[in-house]
Amino acid sequence: DAGITQSPRYKITETGRQVTLMCHQTWSHSYMFWYRQDLGHGLRLIYYSAAADITDKGEVPDGYVVSRSKTENFPLTLESATRSQTSVYFCASSGDRGNTGELFFGEGSRLTVL
Amino acid sequence: RKEVEQDPGPFNVPEGATVAFNCTYSNSASQSFFWYRQDCRKEPKLLMSVYSSGNEDGRFTAQLNRASQYISLLIRDSKLSDSATYLCVVNLYYGQNFVFGPGTRLSVLP
Repeated sequence: DAGITQSPRYKITETGRQVTLMCHQTWSHSYMFWYRQDLGHGLRLIYYSAAADITDKGEVPDGYVVSRSKTENFPLTLESATRSQTSVYFCASSGDRGNTGELFFGEGSRLTVL
Repeated sequence: RKEVEQDPGPFNVPEGATVAFNCTYSNSASQSFFWYRQDCRKEPKLLMSVYSSGNEDGRFTAQLNRASQYISLLIRDSKLSDSATYLCVVNLYYGQNFVFGPGTRLSVLP
């Protein structure tokens, strides 16, 4: 089915471990985004990508790494997880200039760092 | 000052009420504007785009005032199913740099 999917949906890990959250979209959208959502902060942009092999930092990039070797995939890696990275992570995609500008979100990945 | 600010809420209204949400944005170069809806523990979904001339979709009306850098959402005849958090979203350039407001929670009560 077409859409944007995230995995895993739920993850519990320990401080210091590496965690990768996967994001896959089937629309061939150019733009992809990673947000985190925490109580009291709303949605905050971690990283975004305008196309394959083009990524840029958002508002809260520290402690995260992204890559985009293929248009459809945009994994987010926490190289050494910390408790402050416990959050809900949303991947999103958007089409090119000239479209409605709508952001399409995945269902979210709920990460707990112990 | 935050880039996008919204009414703090929560709003608790009876069924059938009319409720209005306000949003202000700080960057006058912003290009596009949206209202998203987010149900509890779910992903945000587009409710409607906001156009300069104002636009309506059924019971929902959105207005944009570029001079005042202000966006509004009016919900008429509230339904129980309207209970959600409403997010104001501003975009500087098409396709990138979407900035989200903190959201305003609405509870429609029977």
